[in-house]
Amino acid sequence: EIVLTQSPGTLSLSPGERATLSCRASQSVSSSYLAWYQQKPGQAPRLLIYGASSRATGIPDRFSGSGSGTDFTLSISRLEPEDFAVYYCQQYGSALMYTFGQGTKLEIK
Amino acid sequence: QLQLQESGPGLVKPSETLSLTCTVSGGSISSSDYFWGWIRQPPGKGLEWIGSMYYSESTYYNPSLKTRVTIVSTSKNHFSLELSSVTAADTAVYYCARLCSSSSCYLSAFDIWGQGTMVTVSS
Repeated sequence: EIVLTQSPGTLSLSPGERATLSCRASQSVSSSYLAWYQQKPGQAPRLLIYGASSRATGIPDRFSGSGSGTDFTLSISRLEPEDFAVYYCQQYGSALMYTFGQGTKLEIK
Repeated sequence: QLQLQESGPGLVKPSETLSLTCTVSGGSISSSDYFWGWIRQPPGKGLEWIGSMYYSESTYYNPSLKTRVTIVSTSKNHFSLELSSVTAADTAVYYCARLCSSSSCYLSAFDIWGQGTMVTVSS
């Protein structure tokens, strides 16, 4: 089973700043099978990025994903107040197996 | 527009079976284009994939839950989750979701989610 480790656990930034969130896999992951989600309190997760770097429908272009192999990154270029939330990475393995990272909380500094 | 809604008891006794239903509106789970899944989130913790299904044909389960989980389609607009022999560790918000069906992200991510339903395991 592939384990995803996200860092940092909590990231404190101000609106307008750039955020960089990391997701590291215990084994190589196909870039096609790495996704990122945003979750706000009391809400379901929302798909942001799939295929490591493709934005889902309706996602602003300030969100971008990159990476390959075992190291992946979610970047938010200029933080808006609504971007402060918890972010999860997720990978798809064989036989429809899915694992999630433990999450990074992005909080207002 | 496709929407998903979870329903079921909010309280289940230890050792009993948790049963939830996902209602799909604006579409049908019988479409050959779609796979569906269940994900849960204990209070204050992260997300855990429970299992996925393809209408009336195939199911796939998290190995850590496989002996206790059953996911089945119950109609063209409903699929269900059963989790047996529950303990307090099964207390969580349970989400149903659709796996991406477009060629660009096929099966790699969950693109539509229900709002979730809280299930507490307690006597």
